[in-house]
Amino acid sequence: GAVVSQHPSRVICKSGTSVKIECRSLDFQATTMFWYRQFPKKSLMLMATSNEGSKATYEQGVEKDKFLINHASLTLSTLTVTSAHPEDSSFYICSARDFESVNTEAFFGQGTRLTVV
Amino acid sequence: AQSVAQPEDQVNVAEGNPLTVKCTYSVSGNPYLFWYVQYPNRGLQFLLKYITGDNLVKGSYGFEAEFNKSQTSFHLKKPSALVSDSALYFCAVGRNQGGKLIFGQGTELSVKP
Repeated sequence: GAVVSQHPSRVICKSGTSVKIECRSLDFQATTMFWYRQFPKKSLMLMATSNEGSKATYEQGVEKDKFLINHASLTLSTLTVTSAHPEDSSFYICSARDFESVNTEAFFGQGTRLTVV
Repeated sequence: AQSVAQPEDQVNVAEGNPLTVKCTYSVSGNPYLFWYVQYPNRGLQFLLKYITGDNLVKGSYGFEAEFNKSQTSFHLKKPSALVSDSALYFCAVGRNQGGKLIFGQGTELSVKP
């Protein structure tokens, strides 16, 4: 089946530094990927829609300058948390849809646990 | 605007008993409804979806869900719970199959031996 891979699965960074999270579709091409954020034992909140070759669409309340999204190819989207602070610590999950298969749901990555110290 | 509600934060069931995890939705137009399961520190695993057709949808691991338009509900069910079913369950709604999703707040299912 379709696989979406995130890297790293876990990262610890110092406050004030930036960290990049990758989301790859391994066996399909994805013109659109989605980035979600999940707080402990809470729901997933959509942060932004990543569009290959164009700017991402951010949800209301999400700082686009803090959460930089780049979707440079049909198989890779990256989320960069810039000048990270402890309140950015969270579980980040991406999803991607196979654009050649209109009748399938989006597939989710395994998530990235970010801890800012 | 779309929204999803899971009224129960936690559901406790004894192994072998039937389980139900509730979900209600609000959406304009035809809903695309999904159930996902999440194990600790893992991503989401797809269980099942309702797009159109039969109101009873069968999914992975013996789960099923019933779409009820009049009650705007999409409850997840399983006839006989397993301890390994213990996890966090999310109901979600979207405007299409592969687009962005609005998630419910999640229900933690605990199945005891």
